[in-house]
Amino acid sequence: GAGVSQTPSNKVTEKGKYVELRCDPISGHTALYWYRQSLGQGPEFLIYFQGTGAADDSGLPNDRFFAVRPEGSVSTLKIQRTERGDSAVYLCASSLRGDYNEQFFGPGTRLTVL
Amino acid sequence: AQSVSQHNHHVILSEAASLELGCNYSYGGTVNLFWYVQYPGQHLQLLLKYFSGDPLVKGIKGFEAEFIKSKFSFNLRKPSVQWSDTAEYFCAVYYNAGNMLTFGGGTRLMVKP
Repeated sequence: GAGVSQTPSNKVTEKGKYVELRCDPISGHTALYWYRQSLGQGPEFLIYFQGTGAADDSGLPNDRFFAVRPEGSVSTLKIQRTERGDSAVYLCASSLRGDYNEQFFGPGTRLTVL
Repeated sequence: AQSVSQHNHHVILSEAASLELGCNYSYGGTVNLFWYVQYPGQHLQLLLKYFSGDPLVKGIKGFEAEFIKSKFSFNLRKPSVQWSDTAEYFCAVYYNAGNMLTFGGGTRLMVKP
């Protein structure tokens, strides 16, 4: 079956602009995660959804970052007033349910803020 | 804060050499442990996982890892590497108090043919 998909694969924007990154999880997976991977580092947790609700958003770095999952499937990560330090690969993962299940990762969106 | 350390950032081996990549995690109670691999141009894929039971777990492509609770370690091994094992390897931990994977910084493995 189809894996986790993310669009766009690459996004270049200017400092101060607003961006939206989309994640389409594996069908039937109730848990969805966003991670951020900076160059030379491992992925870092941003936010976790169980169904439609954000069960844990403790990894969001500040209030410029926000994510939604209105129908419990597709999720959108939104970044306002982008800064150069936001440049990274944004990864989405899904799992059948939360509680330690294997997470399946998408290919990521490479965000570059000029 | 809970953390995961991978000691080797870059490893270069010749084909048929044995591989061991270190992974240590900070104490945090019950953990579930994973190794993910990212081949060039591809997304993260699960190599193996440990939840409970036999501390020696076997994964895909001949990889195995051993959970040593007393050392807070989960090292990845392969007896004989191939050129196709060239990739970046990430150790990751689920701490029972959290809802996310905590990743190590990754190890870039290059296997020379």
